[in-house]
Amino acid sequence: GDSVTQMEGPVTLSEEACLTINCTYTATGYPSLFWYVQYPGEGLQLLLKATKADDKGSNKGFEATYRKETTSFHLEKGSVQVSDSAVYFCALSDRGGSQGNLIFGKGTKLSVKP
Amino acid sequence: DAMVIQNPRYQVTQFGKPVTLSCSQTLNHNVMYWYQQKSSQAPKLLFHYYDKDFNNEADTPDNFQSRRPNTSFCFLDIRSPGLGDTAMYLCATSREAGFAGELFFGEGSRLTVL
Repeated sequence: GDSVTQMEGPVTLSEEACLTINCTYTATGYPSLFWYVQYPGEGLQLLLKATKADDKGSNKGFEATYRKETTSFHLEKGSVQVSDSAVYFCALSDRGGSQGNLIFGKGTKLSVKP
Repeated sequence: DAMVIQNPRYQVTQFGKPVTLSCSQTLNHNVMYWYQQKSSQAPKLLFHYYDKDFNNEADTPDNFQSRRPNTSFCFLDIRSPGLGDTAMYLCATSREAGFAGELFFGEGSRLTVL
């Protein structure tokens, strides 16, 4: 079945450091890919998405490119801030496999120190 | 303003004592979802409603039931909670089903079964 694998956390960085959180997926069809973020004490919210191969999603300085050849959707940011501390979830929605429902990775906790 | 509201935020119950978690939305979305998220695991879809049509995931235990009396409200009933049901329960909505796209999440209800 469809699945998402993302790097284990926690990830601890200093402010202004570069961030990469790896995400790979397995899907039967042609999924849409998402990054959701969960700030402390809040619900999950969509950070960015890409719906087809080679699309790049971007928001709040974060980027991720849909790479079909490597089945990856790695999250990147050039300079993190303390306010980026949160748990980040990679997810896919595959009309064929998951009937369009979101399938999540386990989440990666990011802590950014001043 | 919160658009998906879950109550209660925290619930402690005893083994076997029924629990109901509620979710309300002001988005007028057609689809409502319930996810279960255990510690350090990915959110797992339990079921969803497309309007009044109920869709149960194949591996959702019979112990879990849901009701959607109207567009705005959805309830998760756990008839006889076991220790393994301790988890965060997430409610989410989307405008349409299939190829879900953006889901709007509540802050979650954290259930502890003693």
